[in-house]
Amino acid sequence: DGGITQSPKYLFRKEGQNVTLSCEQNLNHDAMYWYRQDPGQGLRLIYYSQIVNDFQKGDIAEGYSVSREKKESFPLTVTSAQKNPTAFYLCASKVYGNSNQPQHFGDGTRLSIL
Amino acid sequence: SQQGEEDPQALSIQEGENATMNCSYKTSINNLQWYRQNSGRGLVHLILIRSNEREKHSGRLRVTLDTSKKSSSLLITASRAADTASYFCATDHFTGNQFYFGTGTSLTVIP
Repeated sequence: DGGITQSPKYLFRKEGQNVTLSCEQNLNHDAMYWYRQDPGQGLRLIYYSQIVNDFQKGDIAEGYSVSREKKESFPLTVTSAQKNPTAFYLCASKVYGNSNQPQHFGDGTRLSIL
Repeated sequence: SQQGEEDPQALSIQEGENATMNCSYKTSINNLQWYRQNSGRGLVHLILIRSNEREKHSGRLRVTLDTSKKSSSLLITASRAADTASYFCATDHFTGNQFYFGTGTSLTVIP
């Protein structure tokens, strides 16, 4: 079955450490997204990518970095510059260029500070 | 911010009752989508309504859109305990590939 896989499900970060969240999709979607979810604030866009080797900042990109070397993969790195990284991180993908298509989501990674 | 707002923030009903939640947005949209999220899981797409549509049905779900009021509502009829989840609206403001999510409504259906 096609879908989006996020790993790990739970992740712990130490002070000053960078951590990378994995997102892989086999839906053949061009566009991929990373969102951060905090309680009571809904989803906020961190980064998105419409095509391989290209990505755009979302509303809250500071302290995060991404790469898009393969169509299937869009990893997110939470850097030590992100001072409040504790949140639920969601990856999504969709067909590029057709706005009347929904996003498909993975099951998230919950990041906590040690 | 383009982020929409939903109300109520939380809703608790008895099984068999109908549940209505609302979403408001600020600027013109191409379409509006509703998603469901079970606790600790990703979002699942429920229904998409285009700006030139006023009402759409899918099973027990009914979505309405009033572009003059910049608002949408999601009605779940004959609710079940399994409908307990958070529900989010998301809007496409003609960017084609970027969506703005509301703050969500937490629905609890009591058996």
